[in-house]
Amino acid sequence: EIVLTQSPGTLSLSPGERATLSCRASQSVSNSYLAWYQQKPGQAPRLLIHGASSRATGIPDRFSGSGSGTDFTLTISRLEPEDFAVYYCQQYGSSPLTFGQGTKLEIK
Amino acid sequence: EVLLVESGGGLVQPGGSLRLSCAASGFTFTNYDMHWVRQAPGKGLEWVSGIGNADDTYYGGSVKGRFTISRENAKNSLYLQMNSLRAGDTAVYFCARSNSYADFGMDVWGQGTTVIVSS
Repeated sequence: EIVLTQSPGTLSLSPGERATLSCRASQSVSNSYLAWYQQKPGQAPRLLIHGASSRATGIPDRFSGSGSGTDFTLTISRLEPEDFAVYYCQQYGSSPLTFGQGTKLEIK
Repeated sequence: EVLLVESGGGLVQPGGSLRLSCAASGFTFTNYDMHWVRQAPGKGLEWVSGIGNADDTYYGGSVKGRFTISRENAKNSLYLQMNSLRAGDTAVYFCARSNSYADFGMDVWGQGTTVIVSS
């Protein structure tokens, strides 16, 4: 099973700042099948990035993903008030699919 | 409109069973793999099970041997039969889709159904 470790656990930033979230895998993620999701309280997760770097339909271009192998990054270039939420990475290259433990992005 | 709607959650005693359903609409169901993902109260996301469009099935370690995933393409429906339920299975259960033929991630999710395992 591939274990995904996200860092930091909590990130405190202000609107307009740049956010960098990390996801490290315990072994290489096949075909860069790595996704990022945003989740707000009481809501279902929302797909942001798939294939490590492809934005999902309708996702603003301030969200970008990068990385390969075992190290992946989600960057939000300029934080908007609606971006404060919990973010999860997920690998779907091998079964069982696994999620990271999440990074909470909070307003400073 | 593309929609996934879960149902079947509720309160069940430890050792009991429950069957969740997910009704799909607005897309060609047979072109998609389907998944169950759960979230315990205050915790992160956990992938539970997936089923391909050829009925190939996959399970997470914590549910293998207790849960069974299935789909009924004629009814555009996904199911999760949960047996031998434990307190640790208490969670919101989401269904989600992923394209069987291309990498688009889990791009559509339902709103979730709540399962509480308690005496």
